Amino acid sequence: DADVTQTPRNRITKTGKRIMLECSQTKGHDRMYWYRQDPGLGLRLIYYSFDVKDINKGEISDGYSVSRQAQAKFSLSLESAIPNQTALYFCATSDVWGNQPQHFGDGTRLSIL
Amino acid sequence: KQEVTQIPAALSVPEGENLVLNCSFTDSAIYNLQWFRQDPGKGLTSLLLIQSSQREQTSGRLNASLDKSSGRSTLYIAASQPGDSATYLCAVPFVTQGGSEKLVFGKGTKLTVNP
Repeated sequence: DADVTQTPRNRITKTGKRIMLECSQTKGHDRMYWYRQDPGLGLRLIYYSFDVKDINKGEISDGYSVSRQAQAKFSLSLESAIPNQTALYFCATSDVWGNQPQHFGDGTRLSIL
Repeated sequence: KQEVTQIPAALSVPEGENLVLNCSFTDSAIYNLQWFRQDPGKGLTSLLLIQSSQREQTSGRLNASLDKSSGRSTLYIAASQPGDSATYLCAVPFVTQGGSEKLVFGKGTKLTVNP
């Protein structure tokens, strides 16, 4: 089983819909992250969480919200999806930021029509 | 602001060739530098992490070097194989003046190794 599991793997939806992407991890890491990847723009950080009670905005948090339900679970929500949120979304974990590699899930490909 | 650049954007080589991928960064005050591999439809896999106090790290046929003073890192792949075909990304951690932390990624080098 994968250490970092993202669901769904693919999603197509319409503008204005609310969408939740889920991430769960079995690595026991405290730190979890959500990134989006766009062609030509690389990966950009949306939100990150150092523990259940600590959630921080990344560089592109507008239009997104997150919930850290437990150490192992970190979900990303799009309250009212818009087409420019079409991207590949990745969840990642790390033990200690800056000293340990980040471990990535396989991504969720999200298309908003 | 930290910016990470990878050159070339794409590289195609015949099997067996040794090759070098380049990564440069603008702010030399880094904790470490990571090289990742991304296969199509997959997430990122960490290949090598070089601490700021180190000059290189090796794993199998991969060797990554770090020169903080010049803001450069290279990933050397020896005796390339078709299975090495993937996109390779480098990334450095960065703390903004506002205190937010992030991993800054380059846009990657897409490597194709031809049989």
